[in-house]
Amino acid sequence: SQELEQSPQSLIVQEGKNLTINCTSSKTLYGLYWYKQKYGEGLIFLMMLQKGGEEKSHEKITAKLDEKKQQSSLHITASQPSHAGIYLCGADMGNTDKLIFGTGTRLQVFP
Amino acid sequence: DAGVTQSPTHLIKTRGQQVTLRCSPKSGHDTVSWYQQALGQGPQFIFQYYEEEERQRGNFPDRFSGHQFPNYSSELNVNALLLGDSALYLCASSFRQGAGSNQPQHFGDGTRLSIL
Repeated sequence: SQELEQSPQSLIVQEGKNLTINCTSSKTLYGLYWYKQKYGEGLIFLMMLQKGGEEKSHEKITAKLDEKKQQSSLHITASQPSHAGIYLCGADMGNTDKLIFGTGTRLQVFP
Repeated sequence: DAGVTQSPTHLIKTRGQQVTLRCSPKSGHDTVSWYQQALGQGPQFIFQYYEEEERQRGNFPDRFSGHQFPNYSSELNVNALLLGDSALYLCASSFRQGAGSNQPQHFGDGTRLSIL
């Protein structure tokens, strides 16, 4: 099974709607990273979370890491077509700088 | 300020051939990691280079090898190519402040490798 599980695998929302993507680990996370990827392109760094209970925001995107540091959520408020893409969570599980990634969540936003 | 750059962007090879992919890290970064991303999957860690040495390695055979140069740029070499090596190869760079420094890795746009 995957060390890092993302849900849902895909999401189709209407423009203006809010949405949440989850990332769950079976191990304690030393660092949790959220990236966005356009099809066939590189990963764009969004946010990094390290402390349990930590929450960060950038524009309309908010990410949280739970107290036990085993689950993170990414929330988008008032989604726009520009938010479409694949969202990937990556985690450092051994305090080693080696990232393990989930399989990604494909987001589509329609007008 | 240039980000991570990779070359070439696309490459087509046949089974059994060898390939070299190149990566220049973001300015100020000294650590380079390589990932393989198959279609529909998340990136899989191949290895990481720091101070011109391989520091960590993922679950990849020794057909996959690499190198880091004094200017921090890096190469990924794959020998005896298999059909299953077809993927997007991503390079990521970061600034190392010690093991587990948890600095974000910045990615290039990748090299799309197709094996015929």
